Amino acid sequence: NAGVTQTPKFRVLKTGQSMTLLCAQDMNHEYMYWYRQDPGMGLRLIHYSVGEGTTAKGEVPDGYNVSRLKKQNFLLGLESAAPSQTSVYFCASSYRGVETQYFGPGTRLLVL
Amino acid sequence: ELKVEQNPLFLSMQEGKNYTIYCNYSTTSDRLYWYRQDPGKSLESLFVLLSNGAVKQEGRLMASLDTKARLSTLHITAAVHDLSATYFCAVDQNTNAGKSTFGDGTTLTVKP
Repeated sequence: NAGVTQTPKFRVLKTGQSMTLLCAQDMNHEYMYWYRQDPGMGLRLIHYSVGEGTTAKGEVPDGYNVSRLKKQNFLLGLESAAPSQTSVYFCASSYRGVETQYFGPGTRLLVL
Repeated sequence: ELKVEQNPLFLSMQEGKNYTIYCNYSTTSDRLYWYRQDPGKSLESLFVLLSNGAVKQEGRLMASLDTKARLSTLHITAAVHDLSATYFCAVDQNTNAGKSTFGDGTTLTVKP
C-alpha cells in the first residue's frame, strides 16, 4: 500500500495564479483532511471531508476550495494564490474519524 | 473553542537524561494523539490515547492522559539522539468528524 500520497511535492506560483493539489489514499478511509503548516506552528485545518461527495470548512478555509468526487481522492484548489498561502500543505486520512490520522508527505508551496 | 498548549516549545537534552513534555487543553475531550515529525518530513503517529488514565509506551517514550486535568504527558526516558524531532499533541474536538486541534509542537534536540 502506498498510504497517502500528494502531488506535487513542490510548486512555485506567482500571485494570482491558480493550482490544484491532489491527495490520494489507498486505505479505503472515509475521512480526509487538508492542513497547512507554517514555521514554528502546529497544523491548521483548512477543509475536511467525512465521505465521498461531502466537504466542510475547517479553521482556515478562506482562499481555498476542495472537492471529494471519489472516495480515494481529495483535491485542494487555490483559485488566486496569495503570498500568505506560502506554506507546507499536508493531507491526512482516517478510517472512521476516531482514530489516528495518516499523513501524506506534504506539498511545499511558495507564492511569489 | 478548543485551545491546545504544549510546553516546552523547545527542549535541549543530553543523552541519557529523562524529561517530560506537557500538553494542556482547554475543553473536554476524550481522545488525544501524539505525533512525531522529523525535519522536512511528514507526521507519524506515535500514540492514541482514548480514555482517562490511558497510558501507552513504545521504547523510550511513554504517553499518558488525564482527562479530568485536561493534560497529557509524553515522557522520555534515557534520551538518545534518534529521538531528536518535533512532537505534536492533537486533541480531538468531539465533533464526530475526527477533527483535532494541534499544539504548536515541542522541538526536541538530544545532544551527546
